[in-house]
Amino acid sequence: EVQLVESGGNLIHPGESLRLSCAVSGVTVRNTYMSWVRQAPGKGLEWISIIYSGGSTYDAESVKGRFTISRDNSKNTLYLQMNSLRAEDTAVYYCVSMHYDVLSGYRYFEDWGQGTLVTVSS
Amino acid sequence: YELSQPPSMSVSPGQTASITCTGENLGKKDTCWYQQKPGQSPVLVIYQNTRRPSKIPERFSGSSFGNTATLTISGTQTMDEADYYCQAWDSTTPYVFGGGTTVTVL
Repeated sequence: EVQLVESGGNLIHPGESLRLSCAVSGVTVRNTYMSWVRQAPGKGLEWISIIYSGGSTYDAESVKGRFTISRDNSKNTLYLQMNSLRAEDTAVYYCVSMHYDVLSGYRYFEDWGQGTLVTVSS
Repeated sequence: YELSQPPSMSVSPGQTASITCTGENLGKKDTCWYQQKPGQSPVLVIYQNTRRPSKIPERFSGSSFGNTATLTISGTQTMDEADYYCQAWDSTTPYVFGGGTTVTVL
């Protein structure tokens, strides 16, 4: 059974930085596509970042240059470094594993953590 | 790339709910659908346009053609009341979500 446990959410001021962690069990992060998806209060889902099994990353335009996704293979943990935070970054941040079919290429967000709340406010 | 969904819809118990998701050439991409109940994390209900995970009831089905993908819930039950999000992907499209549709069963 895959378990994803996020931590690090907090109340912080605009312009500050925060790092989120996601402890992963049941799957190896270095062999899996891992992503962060966020949800602002009362709003919809927004994909923001992915790290592929080969190590390459891809970010949504809304966070490009400010957020960095990474992983620690030895700890089987996913991270999201968030810099220059803005009020509009206030959201629940979900750690998500992605299923990827090697033969056909189709993919989907398979397992979700419970989310961690980041509030950016002065 | 943008995906459009109706913000809300209502359906009577036992009836069929059809939720649409519209995007340019969506039928040429892989579309997934996620269900999210209040206070819970999303759950995948349909992937690759029409395929259903083993734990998802048979009353959930998906289709896709042209610019529209559709999630259909046949014989809707009160437990199906939730927000539903479509999400599309192909090699040129990042992992974009639709705005979500709130389904009310009453």
